[in-house]
Amino acid sequence: ETGVTQTPRHLVMGMTNKKSLKCEQHLGHNAMYWYKQSAKKPLELMFVYNFKEQTENNSVPSRFSPECPNSSHLFLHLHTLQPEDSALYLCASSRPTSGSVDEQFFGPGTRLTVL
Amino acid sequence: QKEVEQDPGPLSVPEGAIVSLNCTYSNSAFQYFMWYRQYSRKGPELLMYTYSSGNKEDGRFTAQVDKSSKYISLFIRDSQPSDSATYLCAMSRLKGAGGTSYGKLTFGQGTILTVHP
Repeated sequence: ETGVTQTPRHLVMGMTNKKSLKCEQHLGHNAMYWYKQSAKKPLELMFVYNFKEQTENNSVPSRFSPECPNSSHLFLHLHTLQPEDSALYLCASSRPTSGSVDEQFFGPGTRLTVL
Repeated sequence: QKEVEQDPGPLSVPEGAIVSLNCTYSNSAFQYFMWYRQYSRKGPELLMYTYSSGNKEDGRFTAQVDKSSKYISLFIRDSQPSDSATYLCAMSRLKGAGGTSYGKLTFGQGTILTVHP
């Protein structure tokens, strides 16, 4: 295992539901990320948090709301989603180090289906 | 035009074959070039990375970067059924005074590879 856990692993929700995805990292990293992986598309970076502060928001619709209460936990709150939001949502974490590549460790993902 | 282009395959090869996976990119600011491997029902894991141009070898895997052509490759020698996975190229710019590759990775679509016995 990579040290990054995600729950739930599978989620089916209606368009009017509200749900949350959870990510936890046990690696002592300070940066955490949400990605969206759709079939036949590249991974899309959604949000980046560094030391609990959001540093990137890649023009993500407001129906996706991230929350990072501390460096080990990351949430993605979902409401009034659309069927096209169905995808694998991946969480990652890293410890950026000067002069080196930023190796991101990924969780197994949450497979989301919006009906 | 996509920033990173990668042939999605699928690619099917016999065990023992040499596999060549490739990506092209358009942003000349990219400095770190990575290859991730993603097994079914798992998240991606970093396989290798190269900074700027050149080659890097790790066991059966060789990564090559040609910045003049904006082209990167991953070669797998003596491929094994356990190499069957999706291979994702990813790139990033330097960020920060210390030159850290930080945060924003741009991924290719991924190539699905199957190595059959």
